[in-house]
Amino acid sequence: DQQVKQNSPSLSVQEGRISILNCDYTNSMFDYFLWYKKYPAEGPTFLISISSIKDKNEDGRFTVFLNKSAKHLSLHIVPSQPGDSAVYFCAASFNNAGNMLTFGGGTRLMVKP
Amino acid sequence: KAGVTQTPRYLIKTRGQQVTLSCSPISGHRSVSWYQQTPGQGLQFLFEYFSETQRNKGNFPGRFSGRQFSNSRSEMNVSTLELGDSALYLCASSGAANTEAFFGQGTRLTVV
Repeated sequence: DQQVKQNSPSLSVQEGRISILNCDYTNSMFDYFLWYKKYPAEGPTFLISISSIKDKNEDGRFTVFLNKSAKHLSLHIVPSQPGDSAVYFCAASFNNAGNMLTFGGGTRLMVKP
Repeated sequence: KAGVTQTPRYLIKTRGQQVTLSCSPISGHRSVSWYQQTPGQGLQFLFEYFSETQRNKGNFPGRFSGRQFSNSRSEMNVSTLELGDSALYLCASSGAANTEAFFGQGTRLTVV
């Protein structure tokens, strides 16, 4: 049972445009969500997070939106840069579970110059 | 502030052997979690240690075990290695619950 899903395995956008990566979850107990960027053979790099008490969080070019009723979150990258090309994972946790993260399957983002 | 350090970076082991991987968390972080990444299964949670106690455990066989020391450093051990254990093993350290987890570079384990 996949509790966190990223339905798009890949996404291609033009440099300077917006990248929108999506993530759905099924467990309503999740109350904290994170996005990570990952290159092959390296550990994930933390990008941005959001608590379930918020519906939006911004950090520079990265904005995460949370729609609790739809159990959906998205990561917006504006403007997209070629260096953003990587695999992006969303992850979720719930407060009573310590720091146990459940990851989605990842979306490969390719930003074309 | 130093990041999460995992050693070794690469390992090649033979089926049936055992292996121990090490993780040093960010200074001040008391929670250490381990994850396995494989092409077919993605990133899967193995276990989490907090103050030397296992706080959470994922759905892995008993061949996978871990421990945490008083200085928060953690080790994970895999016994009786199988070919399917070939993966990137990642360690993450966190401060309080429901805060960002910071990952190390990982240990690439190849079982032959």
